[in-house]
Amino acid sequence: AQSVTQLGSHVSVSEGALVLLRCNYSSSVPPYLFWYVQYPNQGLQLLLKYTSAATLVKGINGFEAEFKKSETSFHLTKPSAHMSDAAEYFCAVSPPNAGKSTFGDGTTLTVKP
Amino acid sequence: DAGVIQSPRHEVTEMGQEVTLRCKPISGHDYLFWYRQTMMRGLELLIYFNNNVPIDDSGMPEDRFSAKMPNASFSTLKIQPSEPRDSAVYFCASSRFIGDEQYFGPGTRLTVT
Repeated sequence: AQSVTQLGSHVSVSEGALVLLRCNYSSSVPPYLFWYVQYPNQGLQLLLKYTSAATLVKGINGFEAEFKKSETSFHLTKPSAHMSDAAEYFCAVSPPNAGKSTFGDGTTLTVKP
Repeated sequence: DAGVIQSPRHEVTEMGQEVTLRCKPISGHDYLFWYRQTMMRGLELLIYFNNNVPIDDSGMPEDRFSAKMPNASFSTLKIQPSEPRDSAVYFCASSRFIGDEQYFGPGTRLTVT
């Protein structure tokens, strides 16, 4: 069984500030982990994924996430927020080749000018 | 590739009417997923298929909902009869294998009056 918890349903940052979106997971096997972004009136699109290679994963638009097994975390960061980063972000976990992905409840990121 | 294609993008119907949502997955993807997204309940997995066969329909809310995948390039989600509480955005997604990243379509916004 697997689950994912996103801490904070809403996060607000100022433009240029650090973005940190938190995700903790549980999985009975080494997981694949994903971050997706959903812009208004669009479907989800992949930001980045961890598949048991490098623990620091770089994605699109300057985002990155670090897999920390000891903390069962996969937090998403970006050094400097842009207005265009305002969106909803979903963390997801899956047992590779063994089961479907489980999505978190999402975190809405607001970027203030 | 054109990505996952969904039609219609918007659907407005009256309570009691039949609604059919359509999806064309990415060619070569063996898995197809149907999701529903609402403000109240977030993103919910309704059903998913592997090689056109339904694998898990435990998320289908009730018998009014049915889904089919007659071939590898087409799937439908049908609601009959529709009710106002079915109003939501319905997403179709596909992936190469189970647990892999999912590619989402743009969604169908359904409004039942």
